[in-house]
Amino acid sequence: DAGVTQSPTHLIKTRGQQVTLRCSPKSGHDTVSWYQQALGQGPQFIFQYYEEEERQRGNFPDRFSGHQFPNYSSELNVNALLLGDSALYLCASSQYVGTMNTEAFFGQGTRLTVV
Amino acid sequence: RKEVEQDPGPFNVPEGATVAFNCTYSNSASQSFFWYRQDCRKEPKLLMSVYSSGNEDGRFTAQLNRASQYISLLIRDSKLSDSATYLCVVPHPHNAGNMLTFGGGTRLMVKP
Repeated sequence: DAGVTQSPTHLIKTRGQQVTLRCSPKSGHDTVSWYQQALGQGPQFIFQYYEEEERQRGNFPDRFSGHQFPNYSSELNVNALLLGDSALYLCASSQYVGTMNTEAFFGQGTRLTVV
Repeated sequence: RKEVEQDPGPFNVPEGATVAFNCTYSNSASQSFFWYRQDCRKEPKLLMSVYSSGNEDGRFTAQLNRASQYISLLIRDSKLSDSATYLCVVPHPHNAGNMLTFGGGTRLMVKP
């Protein structure tokens, strides 16, 4: 059973460019959340997707957008990259059951470097 | 005040030592809590869940004090392999897998 997979694992982009990161959730999971982890800090919640809609959003600007596909996979897009966007981007999947989500499992992350 | 606060450490301890980390949270409505372990340049992995007063799993014990709004993690008989960053995590109230709020992490280094 494949866990949460993310691609690419590493990425280098130039300031002002746009980037797309991808995530495939764990089998049986229907909810995908994205987190940004700067060096030396804990992950910060960006947003969550369920039923192909953004359900909750953290304190991130509109430059950060996402999408969820019918197969539950998800993309994170960041426009107009800033040096401060350099971080490890983590995808977490869970399953929505009743009114709650089950335990979140994390992918290995995409390390984005903006130069 | 940050939503979830941890002492960043590092905690440097010898093998076999007992070490404890504390974490404070600000949202009194929070119902469940987690400790995640994160190795260098890897993803966080769930170590323990805490839904009531506490939880024990082998050498690891997590305790919850709702009145003071803190969670602790105790590691007994430390192993070299316990060296990692330990993240205190508070999910959105009433929704365990949704919108996790992480502390900054506490770094543990176990030395021979």
